[in-house]
Amino acid sequence: DADVTQTPRNRITKTGKRIMLECSQTKGHDRMYWYRQDPGLGLRLIYYSFDVKDINKGEISDGYSVSRQAQAKFSLSLESAIPNQTALYFCATSEVGQTYNEQFFGPGTRLTVL
Amino acid sequence: AQSVTQPDIHITVSEGASLELRCNYSYGATPYLFWYVQSPGQGLQLLLKYFSGDTLVQGIKGFEAEFKRSQSSFNLRKPSVHWSDAAEYFCAVGAFGRQLTFGSGTQLTVLP
Repeated sequence: DADVTQTPRNRITKTGKRIMLECSQTKGHDRMYWYRQDPGLGLRLIYYSFDVKDINKGEISDGYSVSRQAQAKFSLSLESAIPNQTALYFCATSEVGQTYNEQFFGPGTRLTVL
Repeated sequence: AQSVTQPDIHITVSEGASLELRCNYSYGATPYLFWYVQSPGQGLQLLLKYFSGDTLVQGIKGFEAEFKRSQSSFNLRKPSVHWSDAAEYFCAVGAFGRQLTFGSGTQLTVLP
């Protein structure tokens, strides 16, 4: 079974619709992240959370919101989707430690906004 | 601010040939450096990482990378490429208290 799961894996929606992408993890990690991937731009950080009560904006948070419902769940919402939010979205997790710990990624959600 | 440059957008090599993917970073102190691989339809998988110590690090799938502070580089190498290595490769830099910054990626095509 996958340690980091994302639902849905693919979604097509229309401009103006509200969309929620969900991420669940069984790794027991405290830290969770949302990234978007665009061709030629690599991955860019949208939001991250160090625990249930800690939410932080990343590089490109405008137009997005998040909810950390539990240690294992971190959701990304697009309140009113627009076409330039068409991208591949990844959730990732990492554990707390004294060194910089690697991040473990989910399989991604491909979102298309028409 | 930290940044990562992967100067090669796309590289094509023949199966069995050697491979080197370039990565240059910008950060004032000693960074934490990573290489991830993304196979089609998959998430990112960590190949290797450098925090400190030996500047030549070994990773999974026969990959290695060398940290060169004087050149601000962390190039990924493999002596003999397999067709299954075709994927997109991302270099990333981090630091304690900072989030990861990813490069734009290098797409690897392997010819039979």
